[in-house]
Amino acid sequence: AQSVSQHNHHVILSEAASLELGCNYSYGGTVNLFWYVQYPGQHLQLLLKYFSGDPLVKGIKGFEAEFIKSKFSFNLRKPSVQWSDTAEYFCAVKKWGFQKLVFGTGTRLLVSP
Amino acid sequence: SAVISQKPSRDICQRGTSLTIQCQVDSQVTMMFWYRQQPGQSLTLIATANQGSEATYESGFVIDKFPISRPNLTFSTLTVSNMSPEDSSIYLCSVVRDPETQYFGPGTRLLVL
Repeated sequence: AQSVSQHNHHVILSEAASLELGCNYSYGGTVNLFWYVQYPGQHLQLLLKYFSGDPLVKGIKGFEAEFIKSKFSFNLRKPSVQWSDTAEYFCAVKKWGFQKLVFGTGTRLLVSP
Repeated sequence: SAVISQKPSRDICQRGTSLTIQCQVDSQVTMMFWYRQQPGQSLTLIATANQGSEATYESGFVIDKFPISRPNLTFSTLTVSNMSPEDSSIYLCSVVRDPETQYFGPGTRLLVL
């Protein structure tokens, strides 16, 4: 069965530090990849997505992610985090042409001012 | 994106009772989804609700426990039946937009005593 792994469950960073959150998936076919973010007290929001083309995708708030097909990975990055980036981040994958999203377990990011 | 509302936003219920959660979307959509997010865990798809047909349930979820209605293209309900403390979760609905991207409602936080 399709699965998604997020290896970092909790990350604590200071402001201005660089961020990289790992995401690996198990499905070998064509996939669509997503990062969602849930800020404290808010609902799940789309951060960025990859469908095809340039494997480096840029999202909102300075986030980007790189799709590496050979590694089945879609890691999320931000060069300099802010306190307002404190949130929970979810990686999600779906098979191309299907709608079912499979989520990773999430990573809680705490950015200290 | 999509504007999605859910009612109630939260509830505390007694075991053995049932709760119906409503999901309203700002425009017509073909597919609506219901997810569960148990405490400390990721999102798991319960079922897919298409207007005019029976909902499709994922493995581990059954219609008797989670009956779903989809009376029109902007509205769906999920009922959590005969609740037990294990049903304490956040329940979220989502819709597909632009294209093949899911957008989520704010969630219903349920506590079963």
